[in-house]
Amino acid sequence: DAGVIQSPRHEVTEMGQEVTLRCKPISGHDYLFWYRQTMMRGLELLIYFNNNVPIDDSGMPEDRFSAKMPNASFSTLKIQPSEPRDSAVYFCASRSIQYNEQFFGPGTRLTVL
Amino acid sequence: GESVGLHLPTLSVQEGDNSIINCAYSNSASDYFIWYKQESGKGPQFIIDIRSNMDKRQGQRVTVLLNKTVKHLSLQIAATQPGDSAVYFCAESKGNSGYALNFGKGTSLLVTP
Repeated sequence: DAGVIQSPRHEVTEMGQEVTLRCKPISGHDYLFWYRQTMMRGLELLIYFNNNVPIDDSGMPEDRFSAKMPNASFSTLKIQPSEPRDSAVYFCASRSIQYNEQFFGPGTRLTVL
Repeated sequence: GESVGLHLPTLSVQEGDNSIINCAYSNSASDYFIWYKQESGKGPQFIIDIRSNMDKRQGQRVTVLLNKTVKHLSLQIAATQPGDSAVYFCAESKGNSGYALNFGKGTSLLVTP
């Protein structure tokens, strides 16, 4: 398996623009997680899905952030409109219900100018 | 001006020595703990985990100790190697939430030859 795949790896955009981050979890995994990592706040959970259904989105910063999982092999995290304080590395992770380990993708480094 | 980033505690050890990285957690209801390793530019990578009904678990060159009385977790790395240089995070499960993880701030381990 190729592991968790995220795209793009780097994104530079201007304030006010819409940003869409993409994630392909490991095939067969039941859970998908979105995290954000910054120097100030460390690694924070934004939202997670179980069998494509959002379970807990309490970590989503505000209404500008939204996440979807239309099927078991694809998820998106959208920021609209983006702001400079959204600059961070965004990680997607997935895990199987059979095991506890979460497998992380390589991350998307987002820079909002 | 530029915002001040989070200053990670740093542990510097010589190659071949043993390393001990400590972590305090706050939620006494947490029942699952994981140690992750994050190398520069990569996503966190699973090292070892432990459930709250155990106080020690060993892996290859790594041992995790759990002290529930004082809510303390430690990671011991035997015969530390240059490839062990990374940031290490402890994480606890966030209640009954599919093991969505609450991450600590991390410790930077630097292995010198």
